[in-house]
Amino acid sequence: NAGVTQTPKFQVLKTGQSMTLQCAQDMNHNSMYWYRQDPGMGLRLIYYSASEGTTDKGEVPNGYNVSRLNKREFSLRLESAAPSQTSVYFCASSEIPGREQYFGPGTRLTVT
Amino acid sequence: LAKTTQPISMDSYEGQEVNITCSHNNIATNDYITWYQQFPSQGPRFIIQGYKTKVTNEVASLFIPADRKSSTLSLPRVSLSDTAVYYCLVGDIYQTGANNLFFGTGTRLTVIP
Repeated sequence: NAGVTQTPKFQVLKTGQSMTLQCAQDMNHNSMYWYRQDPGMGLRLIYYSASEGTTDKGEVPNGYNVSRLNKREFSLRLESAAPSQTSVYFCASSEIPGREQYFGPGTRLTVT
Repeated sequence: LAKTTQPISMDSYEGQEVNITCSHNNIATNDYITWYQQFPSQGPRFIIQGYKTKVTNEVASLFIPADRKSSTLSLPRVSLSDTAVYYCLVGDIYQTGANNLFFGTGTRLTVIP
């Protein structure tokens, strides 16, 4: 039972490049989340998915797109990376919307 | 919007009880209050969640006054391994949507031997 897994763990992009962050959970949770955490800051919600095929914008959605591929997987895409998107990205899942969330280990992204 | 405010840092000696307070003056009727613990280079880990009054589990207690404008996380007899950042999260994504779910800026707890 791996919980929530994220790939890659680290990534360096140049401004304007695109990439997709992958997240998968094996707990059969309906709800999944993408957060970003900037140095010394709390977490900010980027997107939320209540179930397969549904997504909802969080506090900071600009510059990102998401796909809820199936119940297990929720991906985050940066179409044209900017230095302001340098951050640590966490994926999470929960059985009940907004309740006890289980977090992945994070992806550390640097955009130069 | 139920934004939250927490002390930036706290120090405590090993074996003491630690109380961390979170202010959320604009909490909505349906909002729950959740606390998470985060160690460096790891994702947050759920500690406890409550709606009103007092909730206790095997690691912590959560006190919520009647007006729900604040909440206090209580950690009994802390050890060095409790040194971490503690976040308060307020919101109810199910009722009010994803743009109303807010983490606080966190309280860095340092436990001193």
